[in-house]
Amino acid sequence: AQSVTQLDSHVSVSEGTPVLLRCNYSSSYSPSLFWYVQHPNKGLQLLLKYTSAATLVKGINGFEAEFKKSETSFHLTKPSAHMSDAAEYFCVVIAYGGATNKLIFGTGTLLAVQP
Amino acid sequence: ETGVTQTPRHLVMGMTNKKSLKCEQHLGHNAMYWYKQSAKKPLELMFVYNFKEQTENNSVPSRFSPECPNSSHLFLHLHTLQPEDSALYLCASSQDLGKQLFFGSGTQLSVL
Repeated sequence: AQSVTQLDSHVSVSEGTPVLLRCNYSSSYSPSLFWYVQHPNKGLQLLLKYTSAATLVKGINGFEAEFKKSETSFHLTKPSAHMSDAAEYFCVVIAYGGATNKLIFGTGTLLAVQP
Repeated sequence: ETGVTQTPRHLVMGMTNKKSLKCEQHLGHNAMYWYKQSAKKPLELMFVYNFKEQTENNSVPSRFSPECPNSSHLFLHLHTLQPEDSALYLCASSQDLGKQLFFGSGTQLSVL
């Protein structure tokens, strides 16, 4: 069965320092993986996606994620945090199952950015 | 904007009221979804529609009644809700089932 685990519920960084949000997945198949961001009182917005092409995926707002099969990880990184990055981030894996596929959401990581 | 519009943005209702949430997508997608997001809880998938046919109901109480008249519109009819139903209700669409989701901004519901 497919699943996704976000290892940190809260991460706090200072503005200008690197961001690392961790995600591990479990999948019997070659997975498709996404990162979504949710700003306060807003819907979820796609940051980036991995669909078996290049293992280093670049997304919007300077974020990127690297697919590491050996570690079953898909961590999200950004070299330098900005105040506007404060939001909740969700790692998502597609669960393939017969006629229908489902998106499995992680529990989210709340990123705080200190001035 | 994502191309998925939800109205209203905020809703306050009493437990005896009847109200409806509306979702419209302008992306030509075939699948639409309702999610519930409560504080300190994982995102919960409620209903899935594909080509306006319901394909999934995740044991949602009958006080929530979805309606999908066509592939572009999705409603969630609410009646006799409980205070614990207060949450952000998110609509999403995708080209096909299991593909990338496009979310609306949500309706923040408060049940008094």
